Amino acid sequence: GENVEQHPSTLSVQEGDSAVIKCTYSDSASNYFPWYKQELGKGPQLIIDIRSNVGEKKDQRIAVTLNKTAKHFSLHITETQPEDSAVYFCAARTFGAAGNKLTFGGGTRVLVKP
Amino acid sequence: GAVVSQHPSWVICKSGTSVKIECRSLDFQATTMFWYRQFPKQSLMLMATSNEGSKATYEQGVEKDKFLINHASLTLSTLTVTSAHPEDSSFYICSARRLLSGNTIYFGEGSWLTVV
Repeated sequence: GENVEQHPSTLSVQEGDSAVIKCTYSDSASNYFPWYKQELGKGPQLIIDIRSNVGEKKDQRIAVTLNKTAKHFSLHITETQPEDSAVYFCAARTFGAAGNKLTFGGGTRVLVKP
Repeated sequence: GAVVSQHPSWVICKSGTSVKIECRSLDFQATTMFWYRQFPKQSLMLMATSNEGSKATYEQGVEKDKFLINHASLTLSTLTVTSAHPEDSSFYICSARRLLSGNTIYFGEGSWLTVV
């Protein structure tokens, strides 16, 4: 099955700096890669996603890049703000006989220091 | 964006009793919903895939008789933890797949279960 690894597990940045989180996946058939932000005690919130036919996608301060050949994708947050502090999860989805379930990375705890 | 609602957001129950958690897609139909369990400071662990009108598909190691899933309509799936024990205490999260937006998956706010 699919295996997703996420790095780093924790990330501390100064307000205004950029944050980058990287994920690798194992199944070359995966074709959908969402990123979720989870605040303490709440469910994950979709912040951006990318499909395998696109190499890069941007939404204001957030961007995601995908390298299908290397099987890795990254989340970039620019001009970080204290409210960006949360746990971020990457995920990969494969459509197949087992359904189209998401496989999650281990999460990255981001702390933005004011 | 699409909204998925979970109820209750937190519940305390006694050992041996059963507790039901509801997951609703408020503004879209979801033929497929997913149930996850999350322990503190860990990632989400998929428990089962809930398909409208059919039996749920459980992940390896998840007891189907312990965690009963019913997906009776296109907007509602329920998870019932039967004969709950303290080790069942956890954060349970559901998600729903929205067909008309490229199969994007949206999550509920989660339900905290404490078994005493």
